Amino acid sequence: GENVEQHPSTLSVQEGDSAVIKCTYSDSASNYFPWYKQELGKRPQLIIDIRSNVGEKKDQRIAVTLNKTAKHFSLHITETQPEDSAVYFCAASRTTGFQKLVFGTGTRLLVSP
Amino acid sequence: DGGITQSPKYLFRKEGQNVTLSCEQNLNHDAMYWYRQDPGQGLRLIYYSQIVNDFQKGDIAEGYSVSREKKESFPLTVTSAQKNPTAFYLCASTPMGSGANVLTFGAGSRLTVL
Repeated sequence: GENVEQHPSTLSVQEGDSAVIKCTYSDSASNYFPWYKQELGKRPQLIIDIRSNVGEKKDQRIAVTLNKTAKHFSLHITETQPEDSAVYFCAASRTTGFQKLVFGTGTRLLVSP
Repeated sequence: DGGITQSPKYLFRKEGQNVTLSCEQNLNHDAMYWYRQDPGQGLRLIYYSQIVNDFQKGDIAEGYSVSREKKESFPLTVTSAQKNPTAFYLCASTPMGSGANVLTFGAGSRLTVL
């Protein structure tokens, strides 16, 4: 089955810096890669996702890149703000039929003012 | 907080007791899921259900049971056989079809075994 590894487990940056979180996956048939953000005490929420037919997707200050050959994908946050502080989870799945998501272990991002 | 409602938010249990966590959704989603969240371990799938009266074990189903008698409801029972039940439990749902991978989560239930 699919296995997703996520690094780093914690990341501290200064406000305005960029943050990068990386994930690798094992199942070459996986083709859907979402990122969820979980603020302290709240539910995880989807912030961006990418499918295997594209290499990069952007939404304002966040972007995700995908390298299918190397089986890794990354979340990039630019101009970080204190409200970006949260735990971020990557995940992977196939999109053919019903397929459950497999999550990474999470990255705790702390943005200091 | 509409969409998926989990209750109770906090629950304390004595060892040897079964407890049931409620999950109700009004999104008309077909599939429902239960995840367990522990520090440093991400989200691990306990059980999932694609349709009424059908469910499958996830990666850590031992010591848990579920039912899916109604499309809107997917309760999780944590039995006394679960050796380390203290955790944060998240329920989620997805539609079938093109949005099948986009999870909508409930607010979670935190279970503490005394």
